[in-house]
Amino acid sequence: NAGVTQTPKFRVLKTGQSMTLLCAQDMNHEYMYWYRQDPGMGLRLIHYSVGEGTTAKGEVPDGYNVSRLKKQNFLLGLESAAPSQTSVYFCASFDRTSYEQYFGPGTRLTVT
Amino acid sequence: RKEVEQDPGPFNVPEGATVAFNCTYSNSASQSFFWYRQDCRKEPKLLMSVYSSGNEDGRFTAQLNRASQYISLLIRDSKLSDSATYLCVVGKIYNQGGKLIFGQGTELSVKP
Repeated sequence: NAGVTQTPKFRVLKTGQSMTLLCAQDMNHEYMYWYRQDPGMGLRLIHYSVGEGTTAKGEVPDGYNVSRLKKQNFLLGLESAAPSQTSVYFCASFDRTSYEQYFGPGTRLTVT
Repeated sequence: RKEVEQDPGPFNVPEGATVAFNCTYSNSASQSFFWYRQDCRKEPKLLMSVYSSGNEDGRFTAQLNRASQYISLLIRDSKLSDSATYLCVVGKIYNQGGKLIFGQGTELSVKP
């Protein structure tokens, strides 16, 4: 049982490049989330999904797109990276029984 | 005004000290309350849920005051291993997709 995994762990992009962050969970959770964490800002919700095939905007969705084609996977895309998207990105899934969110180890993204 | 506010600290305390963290939230419709712990450059992990009646887990005691919209965490007999950032978290579970709102965190450093 791996829990929540994220790939890649680190990435450096140039302004304007695109990339996809992959999140996978093996706990059969319906709900999944993407957050970004910046110094002094705490965790901010980018997008979330309450089930396969559904997505919704969070607090800071601009510049990001997501897809949930399979229940276990939640993808976060950056179409045209900007330096303001330099951050640590965390994926999480939600256990509706315990109300606990389980986080992946994070992806550290730098956009130059 | 942020939806969840915490004193960012840092709190520097000696081993064995008792330390208290406070948190306020602005949405009176919040239904669930938690403390998460985040070690440096790692993902957040659930420390404990917070109930109106108060709850204790070993050296950790959490309290919730719904009338004042105030949450607290008390750590007794601090250990070096308690050094981390403590995140106050509130949420509306049922019709908000399990979304949680995170405070920016309070940093604790326990010194020998």
